[in-house]
Amino acid sequence: DAGVIQSPRHEVTEMGQEVTLRCKPISGHDYLFWYRQTMMRGLELLIYFNNNVPIDDSGMPEDRFSAKMPNASFSTLKIQPSEPRDSAVYFCASRPTGRNSPLHFGNGTRLTVT
Amino acid sequence: GESVGLHLPTLSVQEGDNSIINCAYSNSASDYFIWYKQESGKGPQFIIDIRSNMDKRQGQRVTVLLNKTVKHLSLQIAATQPGDSAVYFCAERDTGFQKLVFGTGTRLLVSP
Repeated sequence: DAGVIQSPRHEVTEMGQEVTLRCKPISGHDYLFWYRQTMMRGLELLIYFNNNVPIDDSGMPEDRFSAKMPNASFSTLKIQPSEPRDSAVYFCASRPTGRNSPLHFGNGTRLTVT
Repeated sequence: GESVGLHLPTLSVQEGDNSIINCAYSNSASDYFIWYKQESGKGPQFIIDIRSNMDKRQGQRVTVLLNKTVKHLSLQIAATQPGDSAVYFCAERDTGFQKLVFGTGTRLLVSP
């Protein structure tokens, strides 16, 4: 089991550019979550999907952020246009059906917007 | 000026000691709790979980205690090792929801 795979590991971009973060969940997991981690706010849930359908996007900061899950093995989080305050580590996590199943996290994408 | 970030409480212990990391939660409707360990440059890693119908659960070298009366969760690590040095997060899930809400974390430093 390769675990949750995120790419890229690091992304440095200039303000105003589009950024796309990618995630491959663990095979067989039908829940996928995107979290953001900053020193100021800790770990915050942005959005989660069940069976590729977005269920709760109330944590998405604003319209500049969007997430998709075109199939069970791939999800993207896009920021357009990016701003310096978007600098953070973005984590993807997945889990199987079963309310008491823990989340399995990827190693994150460290985004720096200059 | 300099931004103020989260101040992570730090627990410093000697190798071989037992460590206790505490977490207070606020949602009385939470029914499931998890402890995660996060090492530098990595994602949070699952350690142990507990349902609200239990007050204690043991794993390998770790024990989680849940006190619903005062809404308190603790993680006990026996015979702490340098490899246990990391930031530890508790997380809770509300009965009616699928998402986990994370605490601010505690940094554990283990010196040899």
